[in-house]
Amino acid sequence: EPEVTQTPSHQVTQMGQEVILRCVPISNHLYFYWYRQILGQKVEFLVSFYNNEISEKSEIFDDQFSVERPDGSNFTLKIRSTKLEDSAMYFCASGWDSSVTYEQYFGPGTRLTVT
Amino acid sequence: ILNVEQSPQSLHVQEGDSTNFTCSFPSSNFYALHWYRWETAKSPEALFVMTLNGDEKKKGRISATLNTKEGYSYLYIKGSQPEDSATYLCAFNTGRRALTFGSGTRLQVQP
Repeated sequence: EPEVTQTPSHQVTQMGQEVILRCVPISNHLYFYWYRQILGQKVEFLVSFYNNEISEKSEIFDDQFSVERPDGSNFTLKIRSTKLEDSAMYFCASGWDSSVTYEQYFGPGTRLTVT
Repeated sequence: ILNVEQSPQSLHVQEGDSTNFTCSFPSSNFYALHWYRWETAKSPEALFVMTLNGDEKKKGRISATLNTKEGYSYLYIKGSQPEDSATYLCAFNTGRRALTFGSGTRLQVQP
């Protein structure tokens, strides 16, 4: 069964460093998403991406964040200068553009630890 | 601000018990309600998506109901098994694709 994959599973970085989190969405999906869960808090929406541009973003997704689909298979989230409060589990998700219920299929997450 | 609440926060049951938990969401601007099952270190797995008031969905021993007028959904597990141990998340969306999640119900089934 097709699934969303994410690499790495765990990333440790120092404050101020740039990180890139990678995702391979399900192959015939055209909508892509990033969510995050800070420890002990709810899963929060960051951004959705369709047709090579951002379609929705939350207040969390500020200028420190960017997303890209560099080729036909990968979808990335870049954090330019990490802060301690960026430590969280980051989930990638994908879905069909034709889904009327906006179903989303999630990857296993990347745990980002900023020290 | 959309707020989705789930209760209880955690639940311990014995194998064979039936159990249910609740998801409450804003009844205005409702579009769809999603249930996910999430085991530690795995991907959250989509269980159900419901859109219509009165919807009932079933998958094996797990079923869900939806009341959009009063803003709640119930998830039921009949005859719980140890492999049902997981966190059950509900998420809500309006006409936008962004999902707003509840904090989850953590279910532990003792053999």
